[in-house]
Amino acid sequence: AQKITQTQPGMFVQEKEAVTLDCTYDTSDPSYGLFWYKQPSSGEMIFLIYQGSYDQQNATEGRYSLNFQKARKSANLVISASQLGDSAMYFCAMREGTPNQAGTALIFGKGTTLSVSS
Amino acid sequence: GAVVSQHPSWVICKSGTSVKIECRSLDFQATTMFWYRQFPKQSLMLMATSNEGSKATYEQGVEKDKFLINHASLTLSTLTVTSAHPEDSSFYICSARSRTGGNYGYTFGSGTRLTVV
Repeated sequence: AQKITQTQPGMFVQEKEAVTLDCTYDTSDPSYGLFWYKQPSSGEMIFLIYQGSYDQQNATEGRYSLNFQKARKSANLVISASQLGDSAMYFCAMREGTPNQAGTALIFGKGTTLSVSS
Repeated sequence: GAVVSQHPSWVICKSGTSVKIECRSLDFQATTMFWYRQFPKQSLMLMATSNEGSKATYEQGVEKDKFLINHASLTLSTLTVTSAHPEDSSFYICSARSRTGGNYGYTFGSGTRLTVV
């Protein structure tokens, strides 16, 4: 079964509008971390935002916020005031286990391609 | 902040030759290195996990004799694609894990685009 599901292959948004990228996850581990990365055409993975499973508040980083709904196992990324430079592929990823478990790899979703138009 | 230097950024090689990709953590010690492979417009697929001084653990379906991983020190890990074939053409990216590094413990290299002709 998919551990990270991103159901939107592509999303289109106009400049200055907000956009939500969906992510649902599946784990039985009570401790986990959720990440969002941006991957432009150059290929580098740019870390955007992190949410720990025990964090009480939704994470925010500038124009990025994470809508964390633990009971529904969803961790949607909200980008406010979209910019042309936001056009890229976006990946949701999960770390199962505690942060101290060094040998745990991130598991990635299939990604969503975001296109921002003027 | 935590930085992982990965090189080469891109490489073209002839079929049957070997290619080595290096990932070096510049300002922290990487307890674990993860190697991913990514085809165009697809997800990152974990290939293997390596810890300093021990043998790598490969994911199911990944040929360990073809993709040789060496993690000789806490700051250097290498992936060697042996006897490369066109189907090995892909984007390879490493991720260094540390307890003290930034980005909540995972720092990615900039990736290597391998084209086998």
